[in-house]
Amino acid sequence: DAGVIQSPRHEVTEMGQEVTLRCKPISGHDYLFWYRQTMMRGLELLIYFNNNVPIDDSGMPEDRFSAKMPNASFSTLKIQPSEPRDSAVYFCASSQGGGTGGKLFFGSGTQLSVL
Amino acid sequence: GESVGLHLPTLSVQEGDNSIINCAYSNSASDYFIWYKQESGKGPQFIIDIRSNMDKRQGQRVTVLLNKTVKHLSLQIAATQPGDSAVYFCAESAGSYQLTFGKGTKLSVIP
Repeated sequence: DAGVIQSPRHEVTEMGQEVTLRCKPISGHDYLFWYRQTMMRGLELLIYFNNNVPIDDSGMPEDRFSAKMPNASFSTLKIQPSEPRDSAVYFCASSQGGGTGGKLFFGSGTQLSVL
Repeated sequence: GESVGLHLPTLSVQEGDNSIINCAYSNSASDYFIWYKQESGKGPQFIIDIRSNMDKRQGQRVTVLLNKTVKHLSLQIAATQPGDSAVYFCAESAGSYQLTFGKGTKLSVIP
């Protein structure tokens, strides 16, 4: 398996532009997570899905952020409009259910810079 | 240990020595704990996990110890190698799939 695949690896955009981050989870995994990592705040959970359904989006910073999972093999995280404070590394992770907790498999992340 | 603010605590060890990375957690209801390793430019990578009904779990060159009384978790790496240089995160969850990550500890291995 190729693991969790994220694109793009790097994104540089200007304030006010729309940004879309993409994720392909590991085949067969039924949980998908979006995290944001900054030096100040560390790894923060933004939202997670189970069987393509959003379960908890309490970590989404504000209405500018939205996430979708139209099918089991694809998810997007969209920021519109983007702001400089959104600059961070965004990780997607997936896991297989079957109990509490769960080992997450992370993608390589998208380094987002908003100028 | 865990960091506050911008600076990660750093642990420097000589190649071949053992490393111990510590983590304090705050939620007494947490029942699952996991250690991740993150190398520069990469996503966190699973190392080892432990459930709250255990005190110790061993993997290949790594051991996790859990002390629920003082809410403390540690990761021991035997015979530390240059490839072990990375940031190490502990994470906890309390009966759900929501993992809460610590801020991380940077391990530097001196050749």
